[in-house]
Amino acid sequence: GAGVSQSPRYKVAKRGQDVALRCDPISGHVSLFWYQQALGQGPEFLTYFQNEAQLDKSGLPSDRFFAERPEGSVSTLKIQRTQQEDSAVYLCASSLGGTNLNYGYTFGSGTRLTVV
Amino acid sequence: AQSVTQLDSHVSVSEGTPVLLRCNYSSSYSPSLFWYVQHPNKGLQLLLKYTSAATLVKGINGFEAEFKKSETSFHLTKPSAHMSDAAEYFCVVSGGSQGNLIFGKGTKLSVKP
Repeated sequence: GAGVSQSPRYKVAKRGQDVALRCDPISGHVSLFWYQQALGQGPEFLTYFQNEAQLDKSGLPSDRFFAERPEGSVSTLKIQRTQQEDSAVYLCASSLGGTNLNYGYTFGSGTRLTVV
Repeated sequence: AQSVTQLDSHVSVSEGTPVLLRCNYSSSYSPSLFWYVQHPNKGLQLLLKYTSAATLVKGINGFEAEFKKSETSFHLTKPSAHMSDAAEYFCVVSGGSQGNLIFGKGTKLSVKP
């Protein structure tokens, strides 16, 4: 597609519910990143994929967070047993050239998760 | 470790006047630096990037930034603000070998008519 697509755009979950957030990167983009943006803050790194390999998951805040990209294209971020502190906008970004920053990143519009 | 500090959480200017958004960085090696803009309910858009080429970087919509190693700064400027520039601006540094980005806390730019 022309850009990075994320769905759903908005998600309201009851505390304790599991959620799954989807990211469709630009076709052919090797790298895929997930970021978490709390209200009034800058995005914070969660995890990074190069093709289907998850090379860095150091930013995932707890073992309730899990991400996958099984075929090297679409990625899903799953949050189990959601807590109120998980409320945030979850951003996905993709890049053509692995870790070469000259290729730049394209961000999706994000999924706004509200846990009530 | 890499980090960025945006010195102002909110900047307000009048339309037609200059814009200055300040950013200082910390990096253990020669960094790549970026400015992103985020309009309400929109995705992050790259304004400009510095990757060890020219120290004065020109971006989209008339924005530019100057990399000053001696001051560890990468301030964003624009000669004349437009109403459409009102948005949140993030200064960003490359985080490490995996290419992840480290964002500042953001500066909200308001433009008064």
